[in-house]
Amino acid sequence: EDQVTQSPEALRLQEGESSSLNCSYTVSGLRGLFWYRQDPGKGPEFLFTLYSAGEEKEKERLKATLTKKESFLHITAPKPEDSATYLCAVQNQAGTALIFGKGTTLSVSS
Amino acid sequence: DAMVIQNPRYQVTQFGKPVTLSCSQTLNHNVMYWYQQKSSQAPKLLFHYYDKDFNNEADTPDNFQSRRPNTSFCFLDIRSPGLGDAAMYLCATSYRMGNQPQHFGDGTRLSIL
Repeated sequence: EDQVTQSPEALRLQEGESSSLNCSYTVSGLRGLFWYRQDPGKGPEFLFTLYSAGEEKEKERLKATLTKKESFLHITAPKPEDSATYLCAVQNQAGTALIFGKGTTLSVSS
Repeated sequence: DAMVIQNPRYQVTQFGKPVTLSCSQTLNHNVMYWYQQKSSQAPKLLFHYYDKDFNNEADTPDNFQSRRPNTSFCFLDIRSPGLGDAAMYLCATSYRMGNQPQHFGDGTRLSIL
């Protein structure tokens, strides 16, 4: 069964304190791994797609990496506005549903 | 800006009273999806349309149905809502199937009295 596990469930950081979020997955033929940001009461906002092991994508203070078993979302020098829930999702060979993890809720205090 | 719009943002209905949620998109995407997200849980796909072709997930309850009258609009109908159907319902679109990012609306939060 395809599965996504994210850790930690919650993470509290001080402004400027870099850290990483983990997404471990098992999937029958990975077509893509997706990172989303979700603010309270809003829908997920697309951040990155990664397609193959070794691939990296960057956007401002965020950098996503991918191996054959997991993905990391590295946050460098976070700011309070980076506070949100970060969702990881995979798509298998059937190519329909995004199979989401439960997310990591990040709180950054100044 | 091209976007996915869901109406209403909040919906309250009575136990057993049919309710319809609406989604529209200006992205001109071929695929539209409905996800259910319960509190502190991952979004879960209910069904999707590729153009006019409807595809139901195997474990989606019969109580849930969908209509897509044209490219821009898609509706989620819940025939007889139960207390367990209280959730955020998210509409998403993608240009085509397979390894395409899905773009989400802000959801409709459904409460059941």
